Amino acid sequence: AQSVTQLGSHVSVSEGALVLLRCNYSSSVPPYLFWYVQYPNQGLQLLLKYTSAATLVKGINGFEAEFKKSETSFHLTKPSAHMSDAAEYFCAVRGYNQGGKLIFGQGTELSVKP
Amino acid sequence: NAGVTQTPKFQVLKTGQSMTLQCAQDMNHNSMYWYRQDPGMGLRLIYYSASEGTTDKGEVPNGYNVSRLNKREFSLRLESAAPSQTSVYFCAIRDLSNQPQHFGDGTRLSIL
Repeated sequence: AQSVTQLGSHVSVSEGALVLLRCNYSSSVPPYLFWYVQYPNQGLQLLLKYTSAATLVKGINGFEAEFKKSETSFHLTKPSAHMSDAAEYFCAVRGYNQGGKLIFGQGTELSVKP
Repeated sequence: NAGVTQTPKFQVLKTGQSMTLQCAQDMNHNSMYWYRQDPGMGLRLIYYSASEGTTDKGEVPNGYNVSRLNKREFSLRLESAAPSQTSVYFCAIRDLSNQPQHFGDGTRLSIL
């Protein structure tokens, strides 16, 4: 069965510090992986996607993620946090049944301290 | 989120009442999905529709029904609302299978 695990439900960083949000997946087929961001009272916005092309994927707002098959990981990073990055972040893998549903991790809330 | 419109944005119901959540898209995508979001659980699929006129159950379909009468609209109905259905409901759409899903802004539903 496919699954996604996000390590750490809450992460706090200082403004200007490195952001690292961890995501590990389980999939018996080559995965399609996604990171979404959710700001308060809003929907989910796509940050970036991995669909078997380059293993280092660049997204919006300065975020990037690296697909590591050997570690079954797809961690999200940003070199320098900004106050506006405070939000909840979701890692997801595309399921191979149920219409290609997205299977989500439980989410990581990022706080940015001034 | 441009392209996916959900109505209403907020709703409070009493136990046993019924209501329909509406989702409409203007991106001409084939696949449409309904998810619910609960704290600490991410999003879980309720129902999906791969194309106009077809619907299938997801992970948590009990207590819900859906309708896909045309390509543009996909509605979610609660026939007899229960407090356990208090949640935030998201509609999503997708074009090709290797493309991401695009989400609406959600409907925040409270059942007393």
